[in-house]
Amino acid sequence: DAGVTQSPTHLIKTRGQQVTLRCSPKSGHDTVSWYQQALGQGPQFIFQYYEEEERQRGNFPDRFSGHQFPNYSSELNVNALLLGDSALYLCASGTDQETQYFGPGTRLLVL
Amino acid sequence: GQQLNQSPQSMFIQEGEDVSMNCTSSSIFNTWLWYKQDPGEGPVLLIALYKAGELTSNGRLTAQFGITRKDSFLNISASIPSDVGIYFCAGSRWSGGSNYKLTFGKGTLLTVNP
Repeated sequence: DAGVTQSPTHLIKTRGQQVTLRCSPKSGHDTVSWYQQALGQGPQFIFQYYEEEERQRGNFPDRFSGHQFPNYSSELNVNALLLGDSALYLCASGTDQETQYFGPGTRLLVL
Repeated sequence: GQQLNQSPQSMFIQEGEDVSMNCTSSSIFNTWLWYKQDPGEGPVLLIALYKAGELTSNGRLTAQFGITRKDSFLNISASIPSDVGIYFCAGSRWSGGSNYKLTFGKGTLLTVNP
């Protein structure tokens, strides 16, 4: 049984570009959350998806958007990339009865 | 964004020693979680605590949910080299599952000298 998977593992972009990151939740999980982890910091909550809708959102600008598909997988999109968007982006899945399990993350570098 | 106050920031210990780290918050959480993160990996769940006062063990790890619901600690007994990594506490205002966001501490970097 695969856990949470994310793609790609690493990505390099330049300022102003757009990026899409992907996440497949653990089997049986219907809730997907996205976190941004800057170097030397704990993860910061971006938003959470449940039943294909954004259920909660953290303190991130509208440049950060997402989507959840009927199979519960999810995408994180970031527009107009800034240097400060360089970070490890983590996806976590769970259910309303089970806590969150994290994927390995996507390392994004913005030049 | 808000983060929990986690201490110490780093620890350097000898193999076989016991370790203790803690996390405090100015506000109440209904769930406390402890994760371990290795370089280049995502956080791995170690222990989940759902009830104030709860004391839970997972092998050599023991964690407690503070009575005030504003703090938690993690103890590691008889440390071994593979305990090396960054330990994060996380709190949720939901009691149980993934219905609510997690707020994380800044982490405790643990180094174990063989």
